[in-house]
Amino acid sequence: QAVLTQPSSLSASPGASASLPCTLRSGMNLGTSRIYWYQQKPGSPPQFFLRYKSDSDARLGSGVPSRFSGSKDASANAGYLVISGVQSEDEADYYCMIWYKTAVVFGGGTKLSVL
Amino acid sequence: QVQLQESGPGLVKPSETLSLTCTVSGDSLTSYFWSWVRQPAGQGLEWIGRIYDSGSTDYNPSLKSRVSMSVDTSKNQFSLELTSVTVADTAVYFCARVFDSAGFDLWGQGTLVTVSS
Repeated sequence: QAVLTQPSSLSASPGASASLPCTLRSGMNLGTSRIYWYQQKPGSPPQFFLRYKSDSDARLGSGVPSRFSGSKDASANAGYLVISGVQSEDEADYYCMIWYKTAVVFGGGTKLSVL
Repeated sequence: QVQLQESGPGLVKPSETLSLTCTVSGDSLTSYFWSWVRQPAGQGLEWIGRIYDSGSTDYNPSLKSRVSMSVDTSKNQFSLELTSVTVADTAVYFCARVFDSAGFDLWGQGTLVTVSS
């Protein structure tokens, strides 16, 4: 089982909300995990978008719109990148990441399509 | 404005050593960790490792036996060496600045390294 699991693709309609999940391996502690989110568009390096551990321990990347936020669901052992009011420019690949046992681990990435 | 720029050969032969350098401009290397991340074409991101300005390192366990990183604060550069490369090491290699000891807030544009005879 991978450390971090992301759906390979998701779609959302313009103006709708979207939640991109990042599921932690069973047995890992979601509550103590800081989850980092990156956006990557074709031909460009990833861009830091969000660090989220809790509402009081969250940081949005420089220039990232406030419609992006984070959340967690303990019952699903998952963190989420939440987009409130999806826009066409949000179409991109999104990667989650954590620091785990002295190493950085990335999720496989989710391709968000805005239809 | 802080900028990172990767440089190095774009083509490496199998079994040889891949060597890349990241030059940091607009800020000092000191008091940060610096990392390398790679991405094969059409695939996801893979962390290679990180180095502190003191030279302290952490490496991806899956690459640890082949990876070496170094830092040259006088040139504001840090470097990556990956030995015994195979075609599986073909990827775009990014350098990045680390914040929070883990996250990456600044990235280079990336450089494509192809392993081929």
